[in-house]
Amino acid sequence: GQQVMQIPQYQHVQEGEDFTTYCNSSTTLSNIQWYKQRPGGHPVFLIQLVKSGEVKKQKRLTFQFGEAKKNSSLHITATQTTDVGTYFCADPDNFNKFYFGSGTKLNVKP
Amino acid sequence: ETGVTQSPTHLIKTRGQQVTLRCSSQSGHNTVSWYQQALGQGPQFIFQYYREEENGRGNFPPRFSGLQFPNYSSELNVNALELDDSALYLCASSLGGPETQYFGPGTRLLVL
Repeated sequence: GQQVMQIPQYQHVQEGEDFTTYCNSSTTLSNIQWYKQRPGGHPVFLIQLVKSGEVKKQKRLTFQFGEAKKNSSLHITATQTTDVGTYFCADPDNFNKFYFGSGTKLNVKP
Repeated sequence: ETGVTQSPTHLIKTRGQQVTLRCSSQSGHNTVSWYQQALGQGPQFIFQYYREEENGRGNFPPRFSGLQFPNYSSELNVNALELDDSALYLCASSLGGPETQYFGPGTRLLVL
């Protein structure tokens, strides 16, 4: 099956600093989805990217899909303590198999 | 809240036993996917059910099986439990295709 690799595994930032997590695939992705999982919680869908080079924003979060559709990134501007959690990218693979990355765990110090 | 419920919330079993986990999908959702999430890892796709038929399967052995009922609720059955089966089991419901998946709170299974 397809694999999506995520880096970094962990990121510790001071509140107000920016944060970026990267997702890479060895194959071309048709779509990519991003999820957030709070500690002790379940994954929550954030966004889906479909088009090559697509950029979408949700308040302080910016999502990008690479031109070759093999990589994606999530950038958070001016982190807040409410951003704490693990961020996963997922490859829907025609929507009947989903491959999640290993996630980036974000810790924000107040 | 997503409207997706799972039961039980926690479960302890011993090696070799069998377990059944249950998921009620969000109203109107005809697709349920099951995932296994080991501690510190991303969710691993087990299988997906669409209108009572298995619609896709990940790299899990046949002792992981499932059912979907006419009301679209679903069960995950695991036979001959192994220690490595200890994990959080998540179900997610959707309308299928590219539609958003809504995850339930999960069942935490511990195999001793």
